[in-house]
Formats: sequence, C-alpha cells, structure tokens
Amino acid sequence: DADVTQTPRNRITKTGKRIMLECSQTKGHDRMYWYRQDPGLGLRLIYYSFDVKDINKGEISDGYSVSRQAQAKFSLSLESAIPNQTALYFCATSEHGTGAPFHGYTFGSGTRLTVV
Amino acid sequence: QKEVEQDPGPLSVPEGAIVSLNCTYSNSAFQYFMWYRQYSRKGPELLMYTYSSGNKEDGRFTAQVDKSSKYISLFIRDSQPSDSATYLCAPDAGGTSYGKLTFGQGTILTVHP
Repeated sequence: DADVTQTPRNRITKTGKRIMLECSQTKGHDRMYWYRQDPGLGLRLIYYSFDVKDINKGEISDGYSVSRQAQAKFSLSLESAIPNQTALYFCATSEHGTGAPFHGYTFGSGTRLTVV
Repeated sequence: QKEVEQDPGPLSVPEGAIVSLNCTYSNSAFQYFMWYRQYSRKGPELLMYTYSSGNKEDGRFTAQVDKSSKYISLFIRDSQPSDSATYLCAPDAGGTSYGKLTFGQGTILTVHP
C-alpha cells in the first residue's frame, strides 16, 4: 500500500456541487498539506496542519475547507465547486522538523478534479 | 514578485547532454533547498536537498546553492530518457515555518534518445 493515499484518483463534478477529497497516510507524520497544481503555476499551498488541533490557511484557501479527522487523515472540501478549481490536487506529509533529519515531503499520487 | 521563480521550459535535450535547471528566490530566510522530481501522473518525490550555500552531489545529479545571489541550480550529467520529468525547486525557511514549502513553477524536461 502507498504511504500516502488519495481518493478519488479522478473526479468530474458539476458547478455548485460540494465535493470532498480524502487523504490518509501510514507514515506516522504529524504534518499534512493540501496543494493544487496548475500548468505554469506549480504547486500552491491550500491548507496545512502541523497536528490534529492545528489547521492553517495557505496561499489559496478561498473556496476550500479542510478537516483533520485523525493524525493519519486530512480531507479537503470544495463547498461549492467552480470551474477554476479544476486542477490536480496533492496531499503531502512531512515529519516534524526540529532536530530531526529532513526527509522532505511524501506526496500522494494526486486527484485530478474537473469542474464542469 | 513570486517568492520562487523557475523557468517552466519546456526543455528538450538529447541523451547524454548536461542539463542545467535553475531557480531564483527572494526570501532571505530560506535555508533548506530541495529539488523534487515529478513523473507524469505521479506526485513529486524528493530528489535532493542542500542546507545553506554550497554544492551537493549524488550520482549524476549536483545541487548548487548561492545564497548571496539567491540562486539555486540542479545539474544533471549524462542525461537519460528516464530523467524526463518535471523538476521543481522548493526552498524552506526552517524554524517555525519548517516544512511549509514554496515551490517553483516546475521545469518540464524531455531527454530524447
């Protein structure tokens, strides 16, 4: 099984619909992140969570919300999907950094979301 | 101005060529400098990272950081078709911001046989 699992892999939804993207990890990492990737814009941070009780907005949080249900689970919701939220969405995890060897992020395989 | 700027390419080279991928950044607090490689339909994976200025070599790959000019480079020697991917630079400030990466736009590299 993958260390970071995202579901679904692909999703087509209609404008105005609510949709949830789910992420679960077996790395045992405290920190989890949601990014979206658009051609020419790279990866942009939507939300991040440094532990279960810590949720923070990223660069582009408008129109999104998140829930950290457990250390291993971090879901992203689009309350009312719009076409410009069509993108590739990635969940990632990392270890707590202070004093620990750095191993970077572990990314999931992504969810390709299309809003029509 | 974006915190991290990366030429998106695309870059197409013949097999065996030396490839140079570059980023510039504006945040002086960045201390850790990472390169991620992303194959098509996959999530990015950490390729290399360096701390502060200097060079780091790993096989055919060399990462170089010049903090005085805020310039990050990744060199690939003897490039192979399997190196075809998108390469993303990602600096990190460390401390309380540790782990909250800012990514460059990514450079699409194609190595043709």
